[in-house]
Amino acid sequence: GQQLNQSPQSMFIQEGEDVSMNCTSSSIFNTWLWYKQDPGEGPVLLIALYKAGELTSNGRLTAQFGITRKDSFLNISASIPSDVGIYFCAGRGGSGTYKYIFGTGTRLKVLA
Amino acid sequence: ETGVTQSPTHLIKTRGQQVTLRCSSQSGHNTVSWYQQALGQGPQFIFQYYREEENGRGNFPPRFSGLQFPNYSSELNVNALELDDSALYLCASSLDTSKTQYFGPGTRLLVL
Repeated sequence: GQQLNQSPQSMFIQEGEDVSMNCTSSSIFNTWLWYKQDPGEGPVLLIALYKAGELTSNGRLTAQFGITRKDSFLNISASIPSDVGIYFCAGRGGSGTYKYIFGTGTRLKVLA
Repeated sequence: ETGVTQSPTHLIKTRGQQVTLRCSSQSGHNTVSWYQQALGQGPQFIFQYYREEENGRGNFPPRFSGLQFPNYSSELNVNALELDDSALYLCASSLDTSKTQYFGPGTRLLVL
């Protein structure tokens, strides 16, 4: 099935470091969502973006809706051990488009 | 306000059998979307139900079917199970078809 490209696929970082990941699409999207998924659980919504250029924060997390509307970025500042997990982006096209397309995921591991 | 719940949490079936998975949407949400997440992959959209009608479908065969009830809870039915149907099945509810989706914990299905 169709999936968005996320990079990096996985990353090991030291506690306290900042993290950046991105998601790209070949199509234009009107909504970008970022989720975090822990093993064996459902994805939990982190940040929702609805407008090109929008920059939104949620605590130590900041996400941006790319101005081309074909990409989005997630940054985590001062990482902590509980940031470990898989981060997924999801995008949705214009009005009348009902489904979200998910990225391939970025696996984050934090070394204490 | 209760979140999205799913049952059962785990299920083991054999090839050729049929399975029904259940989802209760978040209070006030009239839209339910179902996703299949294979190991190591992002969620893949199966279909969406809005006010008891199918509102869109992904690239899944007809043996994947669903229902939505007047209280907006939903079922996913899979007939003639195949080994490749083994996955985490996620349901997500939203205020309506265009709004942000919130996921349940998922049902892990193993087909032997």
